[in-house]
Amino acid sequence: GAVVSQHPSWVICKSGTSVKIECRSLDFQATTMFWYRQFPKQSLMLMATSNEGSKATYEQGVEKDKFLINHASLTLSTLTVTSAHPEDSSFYICSAIAPPRTGTNSPLHFGNGTRLTVT
Amino acid sequence: AQSVTQLDSQVPVFEEAPVELRCNYSSSVSVYLFWYVQYPNQGLQLLLKYLSGSTLVKGINGFEAEFNKSQTSFHLRKPSVHISDTAEYFCAVSDRRPGGSYIPTFGRGTSLIVHP
Repeated sequence: GAVVSQHPSWVICKSGTSVKIECRSLDFQATTMFWYRQFPKQSLMLMATSNEGSKATYEQGVEKDKFLINHASLTLSTLTVTSAHPEDSSFYICSAIAPPRTGTNSPLHFGNGTRLTVT
Repeated sequence: AQSVTQLDSQVPVFEEAPVELRCNYSSSVSVYLFWYVQYPNQGLQLLLKYLSGSTLVKGINGFEAEFNKSQTSFHLRKPSVHISDTAEYFCAVSDRRPGGSYIPTFGRGTSLIVHP
């Protein structure tokens, strides 16, 4: 149980276009989801906290207008990279807090990530 | 504020040898501690966590870690590694939040490379 699905796994786009990444909790409702960015051989940097039905909370230094987050339902959060540039190329990972009743030993579950390459 | 230091960026080891991945943390409050594993192009999977109680924590895949408050460490160990343990390992710390939730701060990761 407590599966988080992230789509797409890989995406290549041209500079100036926008890309949407979806994060879904498949078997639980997630009022809170998190978006991370990971550079090669580096740790995960928290970008923002996504709350269902309200505006996302962005970490310092993350451009709100660049990385649009929408958490329209209890099972779906989306991250849109607007007007993407090569420096936005990275590995983006979402995670969601699962309620304790799901029976897992960790309330935080990660998607498999999205590899974004901007050419 | 809290932070995590993983002292080794890369740890090469031969198959069936023991391994220790080091992690030190700093925090002004009581914390939760975690180790996650990441296989190539995948998300993170929880190996083990320390919330309270026994300082020796056993996780999946034969890994264990020991919480040492005086040394502010949470080193990860496995007595005998397999090729399949080759992956990136992240230590993480989180302060204690109401309701049992947490938002981890991750270390830079340690790449475990198991050679045959």
